[in-house]
Amino acid sequence: KAGVTQTPRYLIKTRGQQVTLSCSPISGHRSVSWYQQTPGQGLQFLFEYFSETQRNKGNFPGRFSGRQFSNSRSEMNVSTLELGDSALYLCASSLKPRGNADEQYFGPGTRLTVT
Amino acid sequence: QKEVEQNSGPLSVPEGAIASLNCTYSDRGSQSFFWYRQYSGKSPELIMSIYSNGDKEDGRFTAQLNKASQYVSLLIRDSQPSDSATYLCAVDTNAGKSTFGDGTTLTVKP
Repeated sequence: KAGVTQTPRYLIKTRGQQVTLSCSPISGHRSVSWYQQTPGQGLQFLFEYFSETQRNKGNFPGRFSGRQFSNSRSEMNVSTLELGDSALYLCASSLKPRGNADEQYFGPGTRLTVT
Repeated sequence: QKEVEQNSGPLSVPEGAIASLNCTYSDRGSQSFFWYRQYSGKSPELIMSIYSNGDKEDGRFTAQLNKASQYVSLLIRDSQPSDSATYLCAVDTNAGKSTFGDGTTLTVKP
């Protein structure tokens, strides 16, 4: 069974631009969670989608948004990029929504650099 | 106080020794606990999950959970140089919030 895939793997953007990242979960998984990982803040939860609905959101500004499609693929969008948005963005998928004793598996991540 | 705290590293052990990694959490409503291994430049890889009090063993890895003390640990027996990585403790609450610790970097010296 194929793992979680993320595209693109690397991205360089300029301050003020917007970016869209894509995540395809493991086949059959309906929950997709997004995380931001930086050296200073560690791994921080952005949001979780299950069956096309956002179930939870972390403490990030409204510039960070996401959506999930009927095939469970998910996209994350960051508008008006700031230098501080440079990070590794990870998505993870699971069968059940978070909080239901289910394991989640991470994709390889998208390394975003904002200049 | 951080929601999930891990023992500060780095942790260094000789090859063949037992490595002990610890994690405490603050939300008593937490029900699911996970340990991930992350090699430098890679994404986290799930090692163990544990949902009830006690020990859970998988090969050289043993996870221990004590909900009363809000404590979860990971023991790695017969540590190998390939175990050198950062280990992340993750906690899920019933409300569906996933929180990760800052990680403990383990180095296993040959």
